[in-house]
Amino acid sequence: DSGVTQTPKHLITATGQRVTLRCSPRSGDLSVYWYQQSLDQGLQFLIHYYNGEERAKGNILERFSAQQFPDLHSELNLSSLELGDSALYFCASSVAGADEQFFGPGTRLTVL
Amino acid sequence: GQSLEQPSEVTAVEGAIVQINCTYQTSGFYGLSWYQQHDGGAPTFLSYNALDGLEETGRFSSFLSRSDSYGYLLLQELQMKDSASYFCAVRGTSNTGKLIFGQGTTLQVKP
Repeated sequence: DSGVTQTPKHLITATGQRVTLRCSPRSGDLSVYWYQQSLDQGLQFLIHYYNGEERAKGNILERFSAQQFPDLHSELNLSSLELGDSALYFCASSVAGADEQFFGPGTRLTVL
Repeated sequence: GQSLEQPSEVTAVEGAIVQINCTYQTSGFYGLSWYQQHDGGAPTFLSYNALDGLEETGRFSSFLSRSDSYGYLLLQELQMKDSASYFCAVRGTSNTGKLIFGQGTTLQVKP
C-alpha cells in the first residue's frame, strides 16, 4: 500500500459525459501528479500540482482539467468523453518534485 | 524533447539474470528511475540513479552512463513474481516533478 488513495476504482460511462476522479496523496506529500495509461501503452504524464498550484502540464486535452485543494487532495475532471479516453488513470504523490513517486491503485475508466 | 527507448519484451527463466536496457534522448535531467508494474496494478518505484555508476538494492541493480545516454536495470535470481512490466523514467531539469516514462518492457519469467 503506497498510502495514495484513488476513487472510484472503476467507472463506466457513456460518450459525451463528464466524470471526476479523486486522489488523496500520502500524508505530508505536497506534490500530486496525474498520469494516463491506455491499453498496452506507457504512462503519459498529464499534470503536476504542488501545494495547490499547477506546476507542469503534459499533453493534457483541453477537455481535461484538474485542481488541488487546500487539504492537498486532487481531482481530475474529464468532460465530453470519447471512446479513446478509456484508460487507467493514476495519481501519484511525492515530496516536492522527487523522482520517487508513489502511485495510487488507479481508476479504470471505460467509455461506452 | 525527451524520449526513452526500451525493448518491448524480455523472457528469462527462474533463477537467471536479466538486463533491461534504456536509451534516452533528453536535453537534461536529474536522474534515471525505474518502476515496476504488475498487470493492472500501480507502478512501484524500484531504483534511482542520479550519478553514473551502479546502484544496488537487493536482487535489483540499476546503472547509468550519461556519456552514453544509456542505463539498465539488472534483475538477479529471477523469481516468478518478477514477471511484470518495467519502466525507465527521467525527470527534466525544469522546476517540476514531471516524469517522462519509456514504453515499458514486459518481463516474462518461465519456470
